[in-house]
Amino acid sequence: IAGITQAPTSQILAAGRRMTLRCTQDMRHNAMYWYRQDLGLGLRLIHYSNTAGTTGKGEVPDGYSVSRANTDDFPLTLASAVPSQTSVYFCASSDAGTDTQYFGPGTRLTVL
Amino acid sequence: AQSVTQLGSHVSVSEGALVLLRCNYSSSVPPYLFWYVQYPNQGLQLLLKYTTGATLVKGINGFEAEFKKSETSFHLTKPSAHMSDAAEYFCAVIPSGGYQKVTFGTGTKLQVIP
Repeated sequence: IAGITQAPTSQILAAGRRMTLRCTQDMRHNAMYWYRQDLGLGLRLIHYSNTAGTTGKGEVPDGYSVSRANTDDFPLTLASAVPSQTSVYFCASSDAGTDTQYFGPGTRLTVL
Repeated sequence: AQSVTQLGSHVSVSEGALVLLRCNYSSSVPPYLFWYVQYPNQGLQLLLKYTTGATLVKGINGFEAEFKKSETSFHLTKPSAHMSDAAEYFCAVIPSGGYQKVTFGTGTKLQVIP
């Protein structure tokens, strides 16, 4: 059982470039989430999706977009990366109506 | 609105000593409370949670936490620290039913000294 996979593991990106972080889960969870983790700030929710075909904005959505074409995949796109988006990004999922989230291993992104 | 405060970004304990990681929350509705653990270069994993019922909850690896409504606290404890407990610990709160509205604390990094 893989759970949640994220790709790439790490990436260095030039400012202004477009980047898509991939997230796939095999648990058939309805809800998926994207967080960024920054030192001293904990985890902050970027976007979420309660079910395939729907998405919502979290605490820090600016500069990011998501899509949820199917249950398993929830990619996060940075249309034009900026240095302040340097962070570790975590994807998570949960079953609809439950409260426990399951996290992927993270993607470390550096924007220069 | 809800918030979580974790007192102490770094905590050091000797191996075998009591572990106490503090978490205080604010929530306008009855909250669900969580502790997650993050080992180096890994994602978060659930340690324990309180939703309803017994206020003392037990989790994995010998950890437990007690929900104290009067003190708005959910401190994490373990009687005897092991070297393998070295990790970062996050307290989190969600309003009951608001599953996407989770708020994480800023984390406490636990160091265990041999």
